[in-house]
Parts: sequence; structure tokens; C-alpha cells
Amino acid sequence: GAGVSQSPSNKVTEKGKDVELRCDPISGHTALYWYRQSLGQGLEFLIYFQGNSAPDKSGLPSDRFSAERTGGSVSTLTIQRTQQEDSAVYLCASSLGRHQETQYFGPGTRLLVL
Amino acid sequence: SQQGEEDPQALSIQEGENATMNCSYKTSINNLQWYRQNSGRGLVHLILIRSNEREKHSGRLRVTLDTSKKSSSLLITASRAADTASYFCATATQGGSEKLVFGKGTKLTVNP
Repeated sequence: GAGVSQSPSNKVTEKGKDVELRCDPISGHTALYWYRQSLGQGLEFLIYFQGNSAPDKSGLPSDRFSAERTGGSVSTLTIQRTQQEDSAVYLCASSLGRHQETQYFGPGTRLLVL
Repeated sequence: SQQGEEDPQALSIQEGENATMNCSYKTSINNLQWYRQNSGRGLVHLILIRSNEREKHSGRLRVTLDTSKKSSSLLITASRAADTASYFCATATQGGSEKLVFGKGTKLTVNP
């Protein structure tokens, strides 16, 4: 079946603009995760959804970052007033929702803030 | 925060040779997973080993786990040029949340 999909693949924006990144998980996966991969920081966890609720949002770096999930499916990560340090690859993953099991990753969105 | 630390940071070998990558971590874990990443994009899951397992095989991959030393190794046998990628270990912390904690990765280059 189809894997995790993310859009857009690449996004270039100007500092101060808002951006929205989208993730479509594997059908039937109840858990969804966002990670960020930047040159200096490696792969960092941002937020985890189980259904539509987010039991762990401890990795969101500032209040400029928010995420939502609707219908237990698609998720949107929003970054407001983007800064150059937000430039990174944003990766989404999903899983069946059982405790600490395999996460399946999408291809990522490469964000460049000029 | 980074928990896993892969060693070496970069590895270059010839096709047909074996490649071994190591991962160390700091806290007690429920499982450890290895992922591959090509060209800085999506991660592909390779193998998951649970804390009560010592060794696991999948095709040309062999993973070991030593919880007393808090370390794991990934062995790729008879490497191919297509194995060129970055390899990451990721841990699921015992008593922790659902997030995975990743190491910085080993960049493997297999020369034809």
C-alpha cells in the first residue's frame, strides 16, 4: 500500500512568513510523529499524535511551531514568522499506535528560509 | 537531545566487503531500531531489536544488542554500491514516551 506522503517536497520562503507542511500517514495508522533534521542538530523529535490528540509536544522548539491532526489522518505542521534557523528537513512518520513500535517515515519536506 | 552515538561517523569500503557500524546509548531502552537514509531525505526502517533480544538477522543485515554495555552494532555483509547511505540508530526509552531518540548517524560509502 501507499507509504507516508508529505507535501510540499521543497519549500523556499522569506524570513517572517508563515509556512504549512502537510503529512498523510499510512492508512490505518493511528499514531503520527513529526521530526526535524538540521545540519547542526541531527534528527529531533517535535510532536506525537495518537488519533487527533497530542500527548507529547515536548519537542516543539518555540510557540511559533504548532501542529494539528484532523480526522485521525492528515496532519499539518505550521511554522509562524519563520526564521533562518528553521531551515531543515521536516520528516513525518506514522505507526499502528502500539507502544514504541516501528515508525514509517515519509520523504520529508526540505524548508529553506531566506 | 541525542542519545545514540554512532561510530564511526563515516566509513568507506569496497563492494563485497562487510560494513560494521556501532551505536551507543545512555538510558535503559525497550527497543533499538536501525534506519537508512539516502540523500538526506526519508528514512527507511531496517530492523528493530527488543531489549530482551541479543541478535537479529534480516537478509544481509545482522544486528546485535548488548544492554549491559548500552551498545548495538549493525553489520552489512557483502556490501553493494546501493548500500551507500547514512545509517541511524534510534532508541525507544524504557518508561518513556513514543518518540524515538536518534543518533547522528554513520555515512557509509560503498565503492564499486
